Amino acid sequence: DTEVTQTPKHLVMGMTNKKSLKCEQHMGHRAMYWYKQKAKKPPELMFVYSYEKLSINESVPSRFSPECPNSSLLNLHLHALQPEDSALYLCASSPQGARGYNEQFFGPGTRLTVL
Amino acid sequence: AQSVSQHNHHVILSEAASLELGCNYSYGGTVNLFWYVQYPGQHLQLLLKYFSGDPLVKGIKGFEAEFIKSKFSFNLRKPSVQWSDTAEYFCAVNEGNSGYALNFGKGTSLLVTP
Repeated sequence: DTEVTQTPKHLVMGMTNKKSLKCEQHMGHRAMYWYKQKAKKPPELMFVYSYEKLSINESVPSRFSPECPNSSLLNLHLHALQPEDSALYLCASSPQGARGYNEQFFGPGTRLTVL
Repeated sequence: AQSVSQHNHHVILSEAASLELGCNYSYGGTVNLFWYVQYPGQHLQLLLKYFSGDPLVKGIKGFEAEFIKSKFSFNLRKPSVQWSDTAEYFCAVNEGNSGYALNFGKGTSLLVTP
């Protein structure tokens, strides 16, 4: 298995809802990432997990809560989002932990719409 | 702070034309360099990467890039584009052996016309 999978592909939620995005990889990668991408813009880093520990939180609002249950899974819990949070949420993984000589493999993303 | 600049935001080419997309970065230390492509409606895919060694790297689908350290550049090239190369292209950089995440350029939107 050489890919990063994300579910769901599309999600529509209200501002009072609680939902979760899921990401999975079975390549034995030791770092996993969440990015946010607006249309025609580059991905913006949100969180980095390296060896299942949160390494970076790029000043993301607390309405986004990441979780790494094990080395293959990464979740992003969403609560009380705002319409401006609507975007494509990308998950990525890299083989050797987050530092250094590592290419990142991206999943297809979850298209999130907040009403 | 490290930054990545892509000079061409929108490029329109006819099929069989040659392509060169510019990428410059500001970091002065050791860097790892990447080009990613995002086809319409699809996820980011790695085209090629440079960590060390030969500064001319070849990637998938006939793409190549040249790392010129003195110019802080990593330009992407393809001798003859096809309609299927229509996509968004992102240059990305991370720092040597200490950098965590990728810093992306703003992207170049390439449209190849038949």
